[in-house]
Amino acid sequence: AQTVTQSQPEMSVQEAETVTLSCTYDTSESDYYLFWYKQPPSRQMILVIRQEAYKQQNATENRFSVNFQKAAKSFSLKISDSQLGDAAMYFCAYRSLAQKLVFGQGTRLTINP
Amino acid sequence: GAGVSQSPRYKVTKRGQDVTLRCDPISSHATLYWYQQALGQGPEFLTYFNYEAQPDKSGLPSDRFSAERPEGSISTLTIQRTEQRDSAMYRCASSLQTGNQETQYFGPGTRLLVL
Repeated sequence: AQTVTQSQPEMSVQEAETVTLSCTYDTSESDYYLFWYKQPPSRQMILVIRQEAYKQQNATENRFSVNFQKAAKSFSLKISDSQLGDAAMYFCAYRSLAQKLVFGQGTRLTINP
Repeated sequence: GAGVSQSPRYKVTKRGQDVTLRCDPISSHATLYWYQQALGQGPEFLTYFNYEAQPDKSGLPSDRFSAERPEGSISTLTIQRTEQRDSAMYRCASSLQTGNQETQYFGPGTRLLVL
């Protein structure tokens, strides 16, 4: 079974600085998708970014980018120019061939003004 | 609709009662998922539908949990004889079609509290 591990329960960063959230996963599949979801205090689940495993190029969405290392099974999220609105719980997720999403435990990100 | 909607948003019930949660997916989406999220944890898969078919219900924690999607659109999740450990956020998500390239869009969730 696939597992997703987020080793940082909490992170904090100064406003306008850059922060990287870590995620590793375990799988025997070769074709899969990876996602980062953001959960603000409202507890909505908002898609931040996704990465196709067959693509070597790292995905980027404005201030959000990933560092995808397939051999190492690592998928970290970098947030540049952090803003107060980025404060949230961030979940890394793996999409298996069985369709379901497998989530990590989450990292709580605090932005210090 | 414009997004995934769920009702009720909050549900408080007494242990032993049955509850039914509803999910209304994005109208063009064929695939619908149910997840359970305990406080401080990531969501955990319960089951999913492709239209009205239910190919995988391996995540349902017990036979007290069941889900339906009889017409391939709205889905319900029913928990019979609720227990305190069933207290959690129940999330529905939908995607355009089956396939691991499809992004799942989540609803706001139903927060269930079993007293």
